[in-house]
Amino acid sequence: SYELTQPPSVSVSPGQTARITCSGDALPKKFAYWYQQKSGQAPILVMYDDRKRPSGIPERFSGTSSGTMATLTISGAQVEDEADYYCYSTDISGNHRVFGGGTKLTVL
Amino acid sequence: QVQLVESGGGVVQPGRSLRLSCTASGFTFSNYGMHWVRQAPGKGLEWVAIMSHDGSYIQYADSVKGRFTISRDNSKNMLYVEVSSLRPEDTAVYYCAKSWDRTGSHLDYWGQGTLVTVSS
Repeated sequence: SYELTQPPSVSVSPGQTARITCSGDALPKKFAYWYQQKSGQAPILVMYDDRKRPSGIPERFSGTSSGTMATLTISGAQVEDEADYYCYSTDISGNHRVFGGGTKLTVL
Repeated sequence: QVQLVESGGGVVQPGRSLRLSCTASGFTFSNYGMHWVRQAPGKGLEWVAIMSHDGSYIQYADSVKGRFTISRDNSKNMLYVEVSSLRPEDTAVYYCAKSWDRTGSHLDYWGQGTLVTVSS
């Protein structure tokens, strides 16, 4: 079965740049999507089609994808960005959808 | 605005069945695919199932194939999932989520979830 691999945790100080990676064999051909989930809340979409930001998502959030790795970057991370972040994509067939294991971002 | 409200969760014994519902509003339900996603306590997100806008395309995660059945009623703006032969490892918050498009693209809006606890 297809898998997306994320680091379990990333930690930065407020104002620093946080980078969260997601690796998967199909990412050269398939878009990556990113979701933010704060404690006790439902996930929200923060990045789609590798690098597009939904309305209402701060400009400090950006996305890139190169080869088998997609990256969510938070430039000048804020305390309110502390959350679990999940990447999402599909295998090469497009039929098997999967989330990465999630990355806990700590900002302190 | 888009609203998704799940219901039907609760405590159920192993081996039993349950039907979860999702009431949609704020968008033209019949124009969009819909997903179910679950999250076990303290764990990550697990994609479960997708149904296209008209029900013609359905996919399941391998972990639930043969036990879960997704369905929808476009006349009532409702999404369902029938979960059968429940196991303790099915204990999770179950979210419904709207797809970006008619088929099975990414999820753009989520409900708040309903908790299913499988325990004797």
